[in-house]
Amino acid sequence: SQQGEEDPQALSIQEGENATMNCSYKTSINNLQWYRQNSGRGLVHLILIRSNEREKHSGRLRVTLDTSKKSSSLLITASRAADTASYFCATDANGDDKIIFGKGTRLHILP
Amino acid sequence: GAVVSQHPSWVICKSGTSVKIECRSLDFQATTMFWYRQFPKQSLMLMATSNEGSKATYEQGVEKDKFLINHASLTLSTLTVTSAHPEDSSFYICSATTTYTEAFFGQGTRLTVV
Repeated sequence: SQQGEEDPQALSIQEGENATMNCSYKTSINNLQWYRQNSGRGLVHLILIRSNEREKHSGRLRVTLDTSKKSSSLLITASRAADTASYFCATDANGDDKIIFGKGTRLHILP
Repeated sequence: GAVVSQHPSWVICKSGTSVKIECRSLDFQATTMFWYRQFPKQSLMLMATSNEGSKATYEQGVEKDKFLINHASLTLSTLTVTSAHPEDSSFYICSATTTYTEAFFGQGTRLTVV
């Protein structure tokens, strides 16, 4: 089963531009996490935002969470070629310890 | 962050044989471990949840007799793909967590069944 839905499914932007990815989910959550995955590799944890938080920053990453809309966004500023990867949001539903992933956004940074 | 080690990172096996994948939490005790499967260009799909000392809980559509999960200790969970077939070829990823913490992921195992 999948809880999160990211959009867009694929995104190509020029190096230096900002990339925004969105995630929507269906049930109440404890927290939401964003992960990056380079092709054929394991997951890299980017950031965790709790249900009582609205925004978090980490370096060039900015994550927002709107629990009323059941949505989150990941903004990568000043994109670099190395940011090319798939990005997934993952949620754990309230009262459940399972972590369910969205379908992901494939981000491609053009030189 | 905490470290989860998954072994092997890749394996090729013959159709009909069994393959065991290990997932270890190296510097923390994981109360719960999860096993995911990922087909090319798709998201991770949760296969099962295992808690130390108890039977794993499988997601709908996952055959528990085919994907045997053992969580014998707070630092080790294993996934055994029994009688593997080419359609079982996939990327398998484990994750480990303690209560109310983020999940930490292994680096994944690429299984190819020939």
